[in-house]
Amino acid sequence: SAVISQKPSRDICQRGTSLTIQCQVDSQVTMMFWYRQQPGQSLTLIATANQGSEATYESGFVIDKFPISRPNLTFSTLTVSNMSPEDSSIYLCSVEDRGQRVSYNEQFFGPGTRLTVL
Amino acid sequence: RKEVEQDPGPFNVPEGATVAFNCTYSNSASQSFFWYRQDCRKEPKLLMSVYSSGNEDGRFTAQLNRASQYISLLIRDSKLSDSATYLCVVSSFQKLVFGTGTRLLVSP
Repeated sequence: SAVISQKPSRDICQRGTSLTIQCQVDSQVTMMFWYRQQPGQSLTLIATANQGSEATYESGFVIDKFPISRPNLTFSTLTVSNMSPEDSSIYLCSVEDRGQRVSYNEQFFGPGTRLTVL
Repeated sequence: RKEVEQDPGPFNVPEGATVAFNCTYSNSASQSFFWYRQDCRKEPKLLMSVYSSGNEDGRFTAQLNRASQYISLLIRDSKLSDSATYLCVVSSFQKLVFGTGTRLLVSP
């Protein structure tokens, strides 16, 4: 099963600035996803990061606000642009990979990046 | 209406108790169903998938009723280590939709 790391693990940022979050996987994976988990809420899919093409964004999320890169099959970045306090959240990277206990592809999550915008 | 709905809890139970969580989903085209577990300040991890025929993994039993669009999770003989938030997750075309989670607190 995939092992995922994210950088930074947390950050406190000023409004109007941008933060780029990195996601590194220890194996090549086709599907990578970016989620947001706001305080007291569940996970919401932001976009699917496609290798070699533009990311696919969910309703309510746009490329100008959340640009994504996917230069290869083991790495992706998510940038939170022109931040406001409403962007304070945990951002999680996820990949789809063969699970250890199951016969189908399972989604594994990175440890998350806790972002606070002042 | 939310696509996946759960009772947020918290469910406070003593060790050894049996506890059941329920979940409903609105998209009848959903294809796969899961329960994820999320510990405080940690990422979600897959607990088990859910099949129409029902499936069991040790103390955990999951059931799916497609006609009623209803999913359940039963935990028997609760342990202190079961304390966590349990997320009901529905998949449609490889996209996961998460419920807000049900918080379980198991006390000695």
